[in-house]
Amino acid sequence: SQTIHQWPATLVQPVGSPLSLECTVEGTSNPNLYWYRQAAGRGLQLLFYSVGIGQISSEVPQNLSASRPQDRQFILSSKKLLLSDSGFYLCAWRNSGAKETQYFGPGTRLLVL
Amino acid sequence: GDSVTQMEGPVTLSEEAFLTINCTYTATGYPSLFWYVQYPGEGLQLLLKATKADDKGSNKGFEATYRKETTSFHLEKGSVQVSDSAVYFCALSDRGATNKLIFGTGTLLAVQP
Repeated sequence: SQTIHQWPATLVQPVGSPLSLECTVEGTSNPNLYWYRQAAGRGLQLLFYSVGIGQISSEVPQNLSASRPQDRQFILSSKKLLLSDSGFYLCAWRNSGAKETQYFGPGTRLLVL
Repeated sequence: GDSVTQMEGPVTLSEEAFLTINCTYTATGYPSLFWYVQYPGEGLQLLLKATKADDKGSNKGFEATYRKETTSFHLEKGSVQVSDSAVYFCALSDRGATNKLIFGTGTLLAVQP
């Protein structure tokens, strides 16, 4: 069966510091991968998606970037965090296909102080 | 663009009460529709889905019917339990190149014993 992991689970970082959040998927190959952010009291917003190694699409301009160095690894990064980057970051995967479902990881809670 | 509107919460019910959480959508084409549930401190779990008009998704006593004529996908459960307390998200999948999910803002359900 497929599983998705995210780490760290919780992170407290100062403003201006770098960020690296990791997401890995097991039990599938060539998945589509997604990064979402859930700000406090709000819904989820898609940040990045990837259909293959090295292929990244950004949905919104922001202080973040994403990379996919391996088939089942998706990394969210920032060179300098802002206060507004605080939130709950969720990684998701799906198999390719028109009616496939997205499955979410446990999330990383980021607090920027 | 595509969007999802769901009723604002919180919704507070007594155990064994009937639950309805309204969800309507705006989309071009024929999206797939989903309900996800988020328990406190956790990521999102797929609750149910429907991929075409008149389909009924069901799981754990929850049901939702894809109504194209009213562009709705309301979530219902006949008898809620305390363990159903969570945030419920309605979402659609755009079935485009990204197959990204577009979420409503979420509805907090609190079930009291």
